[in-house]
Amino acid sequence: DAKTTQPPSMDCAEGRAANLPCNHSTISGNEYVYWYRQIHSQGPQYIIHGLKNNETNEMASLIITEDRKSSTLILPHATLRDTAVYYCIVRVLITQGGSEKLVFGKGTKLTVNP
Amino acid sequence: DGGITQSPKYLFRKEGQNVTLSCEQNLNHDAMYWYRQDPGQGLRLIYYSQIVNDFQKGDIAEGYSVSREKKESFPLTVTSAQKNPTAFYLCASSIGGGNSPLHFGNGTRLTVT
Repeated sequence: DAKTTQPPSMDCAEGRAANLPCNHSTISGNEYVYWYRQIHSQGPQYIIHGLKNNETNEMASLIITEDRKSSTLILPHATLRDTAVYYCIVRVLITQGGSEKLVFGKGTKLTVNP
Repeated sequence: DGGITQSPKYLFRKEGQNVTLSCEQNLNHDAMYWYRQDPGQGLRLIYYSQIVNDFQKGDIAEGYSVSREKKESFPLTVTSAQKNPTAFYLCASSIGGGNSPLHFGNGTRLTVT
């Protein structure tokens, strides 16, 4: 299984951009990078995913390096409600054409400070 | 509203008893999953199902059982054989196939004493 490495914790000032790094040096060519976040005692919330191009949606931007060995999740204007654990995950295909298995690490605890 | 419903949110059982956790989705998703989360840890896959009447073991299936008789339902039974059943259990679903995000329920916190 491809693994990811994230810093255990990060701090960010409210209103500033939060840049969360992730290393996935063993990623395969057809594996997507997913980002989820989890607020305490709730289920993880999907944020964004990508294969090799940069992606943007209403929540965040995902920047993937050209060699695909690392990526960065960007929250452009962090708010206090963005305080959560952020998981960077590489999708592992279980069977041909079947469902993916998401292997979760411990993630990065992001604290947004007022 | 479409989504995944897990019930109850908190569950307490005595050691030696089996307990079943409910997971229902109205997203018309083919694939469903059960994960377990321990304090300060990531999620670990227990079982998954890609289609009705079919399911596969995940990484930590011992002591657990599931059924998938209906598309919208994927109940998880924690049996007395599970050595450390106290945990936060999360159910998820997806359209299936590659490149499809998982949608999670809000979990059931099981405490066994």
